[in-house]
Amino acid sequence: GAGVSQSPSNKVTEKGKDVELRCDPISGHTALYWYRQSLGQGLEFLIYFQGNSAPDKSGLPSDRFSAERTGGSVSTLTIQRTQQEDSAVYLCASSLAEANQPQHFGDGTRLSIL
Amino acid sequence: GDSVTQMEGPVTLSEEAFLTINCTYTATGYPSLFWYVQYPGEGLQLLLKATKADDKGSNKGFEATYRKETTSFHLEKGSVQVSDSAVYFCALTYNQGGKLIFGQGTELSVKP
Repeated sequence: GAGVSQSPSNKVTEKGKDVELRCDPISGHTALYWYRQSLGQGLEFLIYFQGNSAPDKSGLPSDRFSAERTGGSVSTLTIQRTQQEDSAVYLCASSLAEANQPQHFGDGTRLSIL
Repeated sequence: GDSVTQMEGPVTLSEEAFLTINCTYTATGYPSLFWYVQYPGEGLQLLLKATKADDKGSNKGFEATYRKETTSFHLEKGSVQVSDSAVYFCALTYNQGGKLIFGQGTELSVKP
């Protein structure tokens, strides 16, 4: 398909385990974003990649969270030693680099920590 | 810091009623403003946008005007349908890209 693809769509794991979430952006989109959507906090920005520039990591809530983007395309968000408060829907978005281009969102990964 | 505030939901309307969802923002610069919509069981979709003061964004019968003097971007629709039932998010970002700052979302329920 032509949209942003995220996998898995659902992930259930035990507290303390590590998880990896994947995002495949729209082809040609150089900007990639991760957000988190949770009941108590709404939609929160996590991290932003733009081309070869250093990522904006200002939204990552703790050092247990990290993300990388390989080859300027696919991105992986990793959460180490998961906690129950990490339970949320993790959304990925991508956009063209030019000014005022809208962000296109994937369907998200619903993460549940037991 | 920059922020977006939306009217609290849920909002419940009858079909064909007039809709307004209020959105105000606080920004240090001159942001672009967006409305995103999340239909039940679906991902976030861009509904409309405005990039500078006095611009009007419109799509699917929805409209919003960028009002710099009142720092507002209220969403309106003249006649809602059951299919408009969704959660609506107001958001801002700066023209050179970067993160979207979202409001808390407003749930709309339209009854037949």
